[in-house]
Amino acid sequence: DAKTTQPNSMESNEEEPVHLPCNHSTISGTDYIHWYRQLPSQGPEYVIHGLTSNVNNRMASLAIAEDRKSSTLILHRATLRDAAVYYCILVNTNAGKSTFGDGTTLTVKP
Amino acid sequence: DTEVTQTPKHLVMGMTNKKSLKCEQHMGHRAMYWYKQKAKKPPELMFVYSYEKLSINESVPSRFSPECPNSSLLNLHLHALQPEDSALYLCASSQVGGIEKLFFGSGTQLSVL
Repeated sequence: DAKTTQPNSMESNEEEPVHLPCNHSTISGTDYIHWYRQLPSQGPEYVIHGLTSNVNNRMASLAIAEDRKSSTLILHRATLRDAAVYYCILVNTNAGKSTFGDGTTLTVKP
Repeated sequence: DTEVTQTPKHLVMGMTNKKSLKCEQHMGHRAMYWYKQKAKKPPELMFVYSYEKLSINESVPSRFSPECPNSSLLNLHLHALQPEDSALYLCASSQVGGIEKLFFGSGTQLSVL
């Protein structure tokens, strides 16, 4: 399985934008980039996914590098409720499974 | 209804006990998953069911036995577990499988004494 690399932790101030990076230099052409987050005492929650183009939804934006070897999850205005572990995952269309990397723990300061 | 419901939320069992974890979804999803998560680690995939058939077993020890009696239910039968099997067990579901997004339950926190 292709691997992702994320910083262990990041901090942000409330109401400021947050850019969470992910490196996936061994990504294949059939790998989609998914992001999940896990709040304390909960199961992971889907955030966003994309293949080649940048994507936006009500939760976040996903910026994908032109060579697809990296991507960035953007939270436009962080709130205290966004404090969580954020996982960047490569999902292969053929494998039918999602393998989680180590994730980034986001701390949001008031 | 976009929920995946797992029961029980907490379970304590001895190494000689037999117990079962249950997972239910009513979103019409045809792929269901079991993940294991140790404290401060990412979830690790254990099993995948697609159309009620086991499609992926990530070399899980036989003391864990999955079962998918119908498209809405997923069980994980536990027998002769070890203390190192203590973890959060997460169930997830998705449309068909592949690249579709996963919906997770809140998990069962299992302690093996």
